[in-house]
Amino acid sequence: AQKITQTQPGMFVQEKEAVTLDCTYDTSDQSYGLFWYKQPSSGEMIFLIYQGSYDEQNATEGRYSLNFQKARKSANLVISASQLGDSAMYFCAMRENDYKLSFGAGTTVTVRA
Amino acid sequence: NAGVMQNPRHLVRRRGQEARLRCSPVKGHSHVYWYRQLPEEGLKFMVYLQKENIIDESGMPKERFSAEFPKEGPSILRIQQVVRGDSAAYFCASSPQQSTDTQYFGPGTRLTVL
Repeated sequence: AQKITQTQPGMFVQEKEAVTLDCTYDTSDQSYGLFWYKQPSSGEMIFLIYQGSYDEQNATEGRYSLNFQKARKSANLVISASQLGDSAMYFCAMRENDYKLSFGAGTTVTVRA
Repeated sequence: NAGVMQNPRHLVRRRGQEARLRCSPVKGHSHVYWYRQLPEEGLKFMVYLQKENIIDESGMPKERFSAEFPKEGPSILRIQQVVRGDSAAYFCASSPQQSTDTQYFGPGTRLTVL
């Protein structure tokens, strides 16, 4: 069974607008971590944001925020005020068993001027 | 403040040759992880190492693949007798003191098997 599901293979967003990337996860663990990574066309994996399962507040990092809904097992990424440099593939990942990351299939975001 | 370094960035091998991928973690990081990304897919865990120890290699193919993280020097992912299906991007990540810390990724090595 898929542990991380990203249902949007590709999205277009207008520059300066916000975009929400969906991520749902499946785990029976009580303690886990959720991550978002950005992969631009150059290929590297850039860490964006982290949410722990026990964190009560939604994580924020600059223009990135994570909408964590534990009961629904969702961890959506919101990018506010999109910029052209935000065009990339975005991966949601979950850490269980203390270290192993499981990744979703990714969502490609294209920002239009 | 150097991040995770991987080399080479691109590697081309013919079927049957050996591929050696190197990873230098962030200075001070003692945990190293290798992941593989097949085309159009997310990353898949391969192996987790600490200095001189393999902690979890449950994601490694049983044959032809091996990994090490010696006391001195970079971590090495070695693929013997490569086949076309080994063509992928191989990413190394490292984390500081505990395995629950955030993993920071290197730029990846893109292996192409002809």
